[in-house]
Amino acid sequence: GQNIDQPTEMTATEGAIVQINCTYQTSGFNGLFWYQQHAGEAPTFLSYNVLDGLEEKGRFSSFLSRSKGYSYLLLKELQMKDSASYLCAVSDSNYQLIWGAGTKLIIKP
Amino acid sequence: IAGITQAPTSQILAAGRRMTLRCTQDMRHNAMYWYRQDLGLGLRLIHYSNTAGTTGKGEVPDGYSVSRANTDDFPLTLASAVPSQTSVYFCASSPGDSIEGYTFGSGTRLTVV
Repeated sequence: GQNIDQPTEMTATEGAIVQINCTYQTSGFNGLFWYQQHAGEAPTFLSYNVLDGLEEKGRFSSFLSRSKGYSYLLLKELQMKDSASYLCAVSDSNYQLIWGAGTKLIIKP
Repeated sequence: IAGITQAPTSQILAAGRRMTLRCTQDMRHNAMYWYRQDLGLGLRLIHYSNTAGTTGKGEVPDGYSVSRANTDDFPLTLASAVPSQTSVYFCASSPGDSIEGYTFGSGTRLTVV
């Protein structure tokens, strides 16, 4: 079957760094996405990885290891506005996204 | 502004009533999707359409139907609503076989009482 696993909730301090992990087992792989979703809002695109390695985009970076079925999202210099849910999704062989349940990130002052 | 429009934003519906959630996109995307999102369960795919004129069943299709008469519109119908269909519904679209991911509408919050 297809499965995406990520922690349910994480807590971090403003200004710090946090890493959100995602492991996956899917039928086919056409890339891995990270989305951000603030409470009561729609998910918005953060990053895309299809090759192994680290993709950096400002304060956010995303890493992929296809052989391990593993990705992480790294958030640096955390700000209060980063409090949100972070969704990991894998594009399968039909280019449909398989979604994890999301990680709720709580930022404390 | 290009994107996806969903209507209504929220709705309270009596059980047994019929309801259509509307979704329109202006990006000429081939593929469109309907998801429901419930606390702790993440996004679950209800139905999808890879191109106008075709539809397919997702993970949780029972009690829902869709149509795709043209590229822009993808309505979701609840034939006879039940309380378990209380949820937040998101419509999304994508170019199809590409790496551009999905664009989401702002969602419809539906309560069935």
